[in-house]
Amino acid sequence: NAGVMQNPRHLVRRRGQEARLRCSPMKGHSHVYWYRQLPEEGLKFMVYLQKENIIDESGMPKERFSAEFPKEGPSILRIQQVVRGDSAAYFCASSPRAPLGEQYFGPGTRLTVT
Amino acid sequence: GENVEQHPSTLSVQEGDSAVIKCTYSDSASNYFPWYKQELGKRPQLIIDIRSNVGEKKDQRIAVTLNKTAKHFSLHITETQPEDSAVYFCAAYTGNQFYFGTGTSLTVIP
Repeated sequence: NAGVMQNPRHLVRRRGQEARLRCSPMKGHSHVYWYRQLPEEGLKFMVYLQKENIIDESGMPKERFSAEFPKEGPSILRIQQVVRGDSAAYFCASSPRAPLGEQYFGPGTRLTVT
Repeated sequence: GENVEQHPSTLSVQEGDSAVIKCTYSDSASNYFPWYKQELGKRPQLIIDIRSNVGEKKDQRIAVTLNKTAKHFSLHITETQPEDSAVYFCAAYTGNQFYFGTGTSLTVIP
């Protein structure tokens, strides 16, 4: 049973470009969470999704950021018109159930905006 | 919303000694408290968790205690080993979200 997969692992974008981060949850998991982690800081919740539904996006900036988890395929976190402040590690985690299901984290995508 | 505070931010112990990391939370509705270990450049990994209907849970050298009245929970690592060196995060779950502490960097000195 493969773990949570994220790709790409490293992503470099110039200011103003778009970044697309992908997360494939563990098999049988239908709940996905996205987090942002700045260097030497904790994990900040961004968004919680179930298949085809956004359950809670209160941690995600309302502009430039969007997330989806389609019926087929990975969950995608999309950042439009990236700025230097978007540089961070973005982790997704999947869970087999809510609300108290254990989370399993992916390896993260390290986004660098130049 | 929930506010999770974690102390200390750094901790150094001699190999074989115990390490204790403490977290407090503010929302009495929080009902699930996982702990994660994150090695440098790697993903957070769940090491132990506790639910609000339990006061203590133990798994080999790792234990977690929860005091709902005082709204705090602690991670205890006994007989520490160099491979325990990592950043440890506590979290509290309420209202569809996990709220994380700011992390404790644990160094086990051989």
